[in-house]
Amino acid sequence: EPEVTQTPSHQVTQMGQEVILRCVPISNHLYFYWYRQILGQKVEFLVSFYNNEISEKSEIFDDQFSVERPDGSNFTLKIRSTKLEDSAMYFCASSEGVSGTENTGELFFGEGSRLTVL
Amino acid sequence: AQSVTQPDIHITVSEGASLELRCNYSYGATPYLFWYVQSPGQGLQLLLKYFSGDTLVQGIKGFEAEFKRSQSSFNLRKPSVHWSDAAEYFCAVGGYNDMRFGAGTRLTVKP
Repeated sequence: EPEVTQTPSHQVTQMGQEVILRCVPISNHLYFYWYRQILGQKVEFLVSFYNNEISEKSEIFDDQFSVERPDGSNFTLKIRSTKLEDSAMYFCASSEGVSGTENTGELFFGEGSRLTVL
Repeated sequence: AQSVTQPDIHITVSEGASLELRCNYSYGATPYLFWYVQSPGQGLQLLLKYFSGDTLVQGIKGFEAEFKRSQSSFNLRKPSVHWSDAAEYFCAVGGYNDMRFGAGTRLTVKP
């Protein structure tokens, strides 16, 4: 069964360092997302990406964050200068988008990348 | 703007007992509604979803949910809980481009 894969599963970094989290969405999906979950809190929307550009972003997704689809398969989240409060689990998701006459809207999630900022 | 409320932060039930997890939503149009489950250290697994049609939807692992437009609710139910159901459950509303999650309900199952 197709799945969304994320790497690394866990990354520890020093405050101020740049981090890149990688995702391989399901191959025929058109929409890509990043969510984050701070330990013990809700899953929060960061950004959605469609047709090689950001389609929506939340207030969390400030100038420290960027996303890219560098090739036909990878979707990355970059945090330019990490802060302590960036420590969280980051989930990538993808969806098929419009499929025939029905847009199911279902998101398929990866297992997450845990980021620890020291 | 859409939002999701899960009123119960933590629920404990005995194995074999019935379960209902509450979810209320606010959405400007007919919503797409989802329930996801997250086991410790794991990702999010879709349990079930509602887009249209029959308001009682069946999902995996014996779960079901009922969409009640008049109450803006989409409660998750299971008639008999198993110890392996212990996890965090998230209700979500929206669809592609605008899915929002509730704060989650942690389910503990007593032997």
